[in-house]
Amino acid sequence: DVVMTQSPLSLPVTLGQPASISCRSSQNLVSSDGDTYLNWFQQRPGQSPRRLIYKVSNRDPGVPDRFSGSGSGTDFTLKISRVEAEDVGVYYCMQGTHWPPFTFGGGTKVEIK
Amino acid sequence: DVQLVESGGGLIQPGESLRLSCAASGFTFSAYSMNWVRQAPGKGLEWISYISSTSRTIYYADSVTGRFTFSRDNAKSSLYLQMNSLRDEDTAVYYCTRDADGNFDHWGQGTLVTVSS
Repeated sequence: DVVMTQSPLSLPVTLGQPASISCRSSQNLVSSDGDTYLNWFQQRPGQSPRRLIYKVSNRDPGVPDRFSGSGSGTDFTLKISRVEAEDVGVYYCMQGTHWPPFTFGGGTKVEIK
Repeated sequence: DVQLVESGGGLIQPGESLRLSCAASGFTFSAYSMNWVRQAPGKGLEWISYISSTSRTIYYADSVTGRFTFSRDNAKSSLYLQMNSLRDEDTAVYYCTRDADGNFDHWGQGTLVTVSS
């Protein structure tokens, strides 16, 4: 199974400042079809997860453009250009290239300093 | 709008069975593969099962293989998760999710299953 490792575990951020979350996979996530199935999810307190980014860098509809995804192979990053109060929550990366099983990272908790 | 509404959760004793449902609306249900993902209290996300649009292909996580059965009724736009021989470690919120542009583009609100004596 592909292991997804996120860092940091916790990320205190000042409002208006940038934030960056790293995700590493134990295998290259480039699929045989040429796509890389790496997604990012946000889970606000008390809510269901919501997908923010699919295939590394594509924002889902309604996702603010302060969120961006990048990376390739085994190293990926989610960036928030200017953190807002509504961004507090836990962020998960997830791979859909080598499945089953689909595997998630352990999560990164973003909080306001 | 895409809507996924789970139901059927509750408090149940170890070894017993429970059936979860997920009602879908706002999209052509029969065209999409679907999944169940669960989250134990205070823990991360765990994928547990996948079903293709026609039910031809079904996969399970090792943690539930042989105990859980995933099915769908395209005429009713519904998913079902039959959970047998439940264990304490199956306690979690269970979410149904849709696959589009990759995986898990929409999630339901979840239903809580508590396995405890």
